[in-house]
This record gives sequence, C-alpha cells and structure tokens, in this order.
Amino acid sequence: ELKVEQNPLFLSMQEGKNYTIYCNYSTTSDRLYWYRQDPGKSLESLFVLLSNGAVKQEGRLMASLDTKARLSTLHITAAVHDLSATYFCAVVPFGNEKLTFGTGTRLTIIP
Amino acid sequence: EPEVTQTPSHQVTQMGQEVILRCVPISNHLYFYWYRQILGQKVEFLVSFYNNEISEKSEIFDDQFSVERPDGSNFTLKIRSTKLEDSAMYFCASTRGSGFSNQPQQFGDGTRLSIL
Repeated sequence: ELKVEQNPLFLSMQEGKNYTIYCNYSTTSDRLYWYRQDPGKSLESLFVLLSNGAVKQEGRLMASLDTKARLSTLHITAAVHDLSATYFCAVVPFGNEKLTFGTGTRLTIIP
Repeated sequence: EPEVTQTPSHQVTQMGQEVILRCVPISNHLYFYWYRQILGQKVEFLVSFYNNEISEKSEIFDDQFSVERPDGSNFTLKIRSTKLEDSAMYFCASTRGSGFSNQPQQFGDGTRLSIL
C-alpha cells in the first residue's frame, strides 16, 4: 500500500523567511502533484512533477522531485502572509489514476 | 476556465437517510473521482470512474456507497444509509486521463455533509 508522508505537519514561520516542506512516498511513482487548500475551500493545483529531477517554480514557491529517493520538496522563499494555507502532496502510482495524498502541512505565516 | 461544479455546497441529513451528492465534471474529461476529507484530516480516495464503470474503489467505498453517471454531464455519489462517521467534505474531481499526465485532477468546491 502506498504511503505518503509530509513533514512538518505544522509550520509557523515569519514573513521573509525561507523554509522547505518534505514529501516522502513509499513505492515507485511516475507522477507527483502539489495542491494548496485554504480553510474550508477546495484543492488548488500548484505543481505537476513528472520526472526525476523535475523542478517547477511559481512566484515564491519551488517544487522538486527525486524519484530515486522517493522525495519531493516544496520550498518557500521570502514567505508572505498570503501563502498561509495547507499544502498537500499527492502521488499517483504506476498504472493507476487515483491520487494518494500526504498528511498535509498547515503553514502559517506570521507578520 | 472550465471547472468542476458540485451541489449542494452543504447537506445536513439525519443518520440512516440516503443522500445524493452531485457533480458536473469538466466536459472533455474522461476520468471522474470522489474523495472525502474528514475535518482537519487528509484527503482520502473513494472511487474512480471511467467508461461508465468503476475502475477502482477504496476500502471506505463499501456497499453503502454507489456512483452513477445518469446522463452525459452529471456524476453522482449516493450514500444509502448514512452514518455519523460519513460526516466530511466530499470532493469530486475529473481529469482527461493518463495520456495527459501533465494536467492535474481538477477539484470541485466540495459538498460538506453533516450527519445528525
């Protein structure tokens, strides 16, 4: 059974600081996605990572994928308040279409 | 931009009653999904649907659950006899399929189901 773990579960950081969220998964996969969820809201797609070494950047967020280590990272640069949300990674195993979500990281940016 | 729409946004039901949650996936998408999220927890897969049949289901998706695509646009999730533990946010999602893996599953805004 595929397991997807994120750490930390909770992250409180000051504006302007940098930090990284980690996503580990237990079996081989050909696709990994990052989603953002605001409280009580839906899941917004942030990044699609399809191959080993893939790196995607959008604004202050950068995601990377290491399929050999079964690890993805979401790096936040110079955090601002509107990045406060819960971030989920989600993995699709080979030969499958369903998303297996990580535990989520609740990010709070303090002014 | 096309989006997945779900109705109702909030459903309150007595335990033991049947509920039907409705979704309209994006029109050129072929794969449809239901996920649920218990308050404060992670998102869990329930079922996937392709070519008018279930392609995969989780352990959560027991005999009390069913899905249907009654026409060319709607995709429904029915819970036959609701339990307290069915209280959660239910998300519908759709995608074009594995040939378009660079396109993530698109999620609706969810239906908050409250069982009393």
